[in-house]
Amino acid sequence: QSALTQPASVSGSPGQSITISCTATSGDLLDSVSWYQLHPGKAPKLIIYDVTNRPSRISDRFSGSKSGDAASLTISGLQAEDEADYFCSSYTSSIILLFGGGTKLTVL
Amino acid sequence: QVQLVQSGAEMKKPGTSLKVSCKTSGYPFHTFSIYWVRQAPGQRLEWMGWINPRTGDTKYSQAFQDRLIITRDTSATTVYMELSSLRSEDTAMYYCATVLYAAAPKSPLDYWGQGTPVTVSS
Repeated sequence: QSALTQPASVSGSPGQSITISCTATSGDLLDSVSWYQLHPGKAPKLIIYDVTNRPSRISDRFSGSKSGDAASLTISGLQAEDEADYFCSSYTSSIILLFGGGTKLTVL
Repeated sequence: QVQLVQSGAEMKKPGTSLKVSCKTSGYPFHTFSIYWVRQAPGQRLEWMGWINPRTGDTKYSQAFQDRLIITRDTSATTVYMELSSLRSEDTAMYYCATVLYAAAPKSPLDYWGQGTPVTVSS
């Protein structure tokens, strides 16, 4: 069964860079991976789509990549406002939208 | 600008039905499909289904196939999500969202509503 797996939590200090991984049961599951940021009480926000693309409204501190069966979200120059939950998502070959389990980012 | 505004919080009894609205503005309503996604407490986001506002075509996750109906009112530029036979496990935050690509089947979700908290409890 197709699935996306993320670490439960990551942390970093202001100014540092952090990376969140998203591992898939098969590499082709990540061909259309996107990343979303969720702040409590706010609408989720698309921050990366199609592995590496970033909406113009999103800071260039956010970047995405993929290697093999894993996609990654990197946030550079960490800021307090980046503290949030981050979810990866992608589509199966049957056009079913899957989400990872989410990663809680703590800015120390 | 693109806005999706959802209806307010709901408290429901098990076995009843829920109807959440998603009022869209800031773009031609028929252009982008609208998805519904939910997040139960402590759980991952879960795709529920989508509707093509132009045609009314829908697709539902198998997990909700027999109790979910998504409809639209084109004159009101509003999409509705109706979930029946509610149980406690349906307690969640429910979101609507537009797709980024108008005509691609594997589109990311671009703009999201603010969420509608739903509690199902006796």
